[in-house]
This record gives sequence, C-alpha cells and structure tokens, in this order.
Amino acid sequence: GAVVSQHPSWVICKSGTSVKIECRSLDFQATTMFWYRQFPKQSLMLMATSNEGSKATYEQGVEKDKFLINHASLTLSTLTVTSAHPEDSSFYICSARSGADNYGYTFGSGTRLTVV
Amino acid sequence: AQTVTQSQPEMSVQEAETVTLSCTYDTSESDYYLFWYKQPPSRQMILVIRQEAYKQQNATENRFSVNFQKAAKSFSLKISDSQLGDAAMYFCAYRSAGGSNYKLTFGKGTLLTVNP
Repeated sequence: GAVVSQHPSWVICKSGTSVKIECRSLDFQATTMFWYRQFPKQSLMLMATSNEGSKATYEQGVEKDKFLINHASLTLSTLTVTSAHPEDSSFYICSARSGADNYGYTFGSGTRLTVV
Repeated sequence: AQTVTQSQPEMSVQEAETVTLSCTYDTSESDYYLFWYKQPPSRQMILVIRQEAYKQQNATENRFSVNFQKAAKSFSLKISDSQLGDAAMYFCAYRSAGGSNYKLTFGKGTLLTVNP
C-alpha cells in the first residue's frame, strides 16, 4: 500500500534555531500534502495545505513565515519551523493525497519536536 | 464551515464485547465523505473505515461497521468482538466532495480502552 516516510521521528533543538521535517511519498505521487499539528490528547489541527509546485495555503492563525512549507516535487514536501521556541514543541504529522485516489490519504508517522 | 463533534472523550469496553463510538457533523452540503481513523499509541494514523454520503448502505470492514444516518448527520462506529489491539484514539473526519478542497475536518477524538 501507499507509504509516506516522515523524518525525523523526533528532534530536540535549541530555541532560536530552525528545524526541517521531511515527508516523502515512497510509491505514489503526492499531489497534495497536508501538514498537521497535534498537542497531547488532542485532535489534529490542520496547519496548511500544499499542492506540488504551488505556494502552500495556510489555515487562519498559522504564521506562514514561521512554518515554511515546500512541495517542490510530487514525492517530497518539507516543513521548516523557523526560529523555534518552546511553544512550538508539538507533534507534527503530514498526510499525502494522490490525485489518482479520490479519498485516499496516507499519513506519515509523525515528528515529535521539542524546543529547549 | 463544517464541524465534527465526538461527544465521548473516553470509552471503555471489555475484550470480545461490542462498543459504539458516536460522531455527529454539521454541514450544508449534500455530497461528502466521512471517515473513521484510529491512532494507536504509536501515533500512526490508520484508516478504519470510510463512507460516501451518496451511498445509503452502511460501510463495513470486518469487525468495524458504521451507522450512517444522513438526515440526522450522524456517523457512529461499531466495533464488534473488541480486541486489545483496538485500544487507541479514534477520530471521526469529514471531507467535502465538491470543488478542490480536499482537507479533512477532524473531531476531537474518543479514547477507547479495551479491558482484558
């Protein structure tokens, strides 16, 4: 079945530094990638939607200059948390959609980010 | 905007018994998709079952079935013969069928505990 590889699975970084999270679709073309943030025991909160080759569409309240999303190819999307602060500590999940499947979503395994 | 409500923050069930998780949604659209996702402790999102709104027949996947009541905007998940591996957070999700908006709207989740 479809697989999305998300890396790193966990990362600890110092406050003020930037962190990049990658999501790769291994056996299909991800025309659309969704990036979510999840706090402990809470639901997934959509941060942004990106289509290959286009600028990402951010949800209300999400700082686009802080959470940089790149979707330059059909198999790779990245989320860069710039100038990270402790409040950015969270679990980040990507989800890819293939244009060939009308309602199939493949989720990455998530990245736990801790900013110290 | 569509909203998804899961009114049961936590549920528990005895192994081999049956449990039903509730989900209601609010929408003005007539065509859409509904999903149940499972998130075990590993935090990997797993699709449990999905339902197209235009289909009157309730979806089933082995021990998992839904009760889709379109008029009542209700989409409950029934887990039969519960197993220890069913213990997880369960999220109900909605997706519009029209346009190019493919994003999922998630409920807050129900934490299911399976007691041996």
